[in-house]
Amino acid sequence: AQKVTQAQTEISVVEKEDVTLDCVYETRDTTYYLFWYKQPPSGELVFLIRRNSFDEQNEISGRYSWNFQKSTSSFNFTITASQVVDSAVYFCALSGPTFTGANSKLTFGKGITLSVRP
Amino acid sequence: GAGVSQSPSNKVTEKGKDVELRCDPISGHTALYWYRQSLGQGLEFLIYFQGNSAPDKSGLPSDRFSAERTGGSVSTLTIQRTQQEDSAVYLCASSLGGRGAQETQYFGPGTRLLVL
Repeated sequence: AQKVTQAQTEISVVEKEDVTLDCVYETRDTTYYLFWYKQPPSGELVFLIRRNSFDEQNEISGRYSWNFQKSTSSFNFTITASQVVDSAVYFCALSGPTFTGANSKLTFGKGITLSVRP
Repeated sequence: GAGVSQSPSNKVTEKGKDVELRCDPISGHTALYWYRQSLGQGLEFLIYFQGNSAPDKSGLPSDRFSAERTGGSVSTLTIQRTQQEDSAVYLCASSLGGRGAQETQYFGPGTRLLVL
């Protein structure tokens, strides 16, 4: 069975601080995909990134960066110089093997509520 | 369409009534998913469609829940004899389809259901 753990439930920072959101996953699959989604107060889940299990390169997109470490089953997300607009709930998610359509469902963590204060 | 749309955005119903929730996926997306988001359980998978077929219904919580998809497009999630524990936000997502787990799912705004 697949499992995603986001141990942090709520984080509060002051604007311009850096913040890291942790994600630890469990799976028996050798091929899998990891995702981060953002859920702002409006409620809609917004896709941020997808990473496959064969690619351990870190990725940077503007103020966002992701650190994937297979050895520790972690896929952490860092926001540099946080802004008030970053306030949202952030979900890490996991899906199964590529070629089996029935395993395309996402298993989500419980989410981390990030509050960025001015 | 530009994105996944869902209707209604909010639904208040009385215990025991039936409700229908609608999802209109992104044009051209053949895969469609329903999830439920509640305070106690977080985000849970309900059902997955590829075209009009549902190869994975494993997340439907009881036989009061059913879903269909017609024309490979619009999907309807029906909850019969609603209970208070059905109160949640029901989210729909779609993806291109055919490549399984490597595809990105794009979510709609959700339907917030309140059962009194």
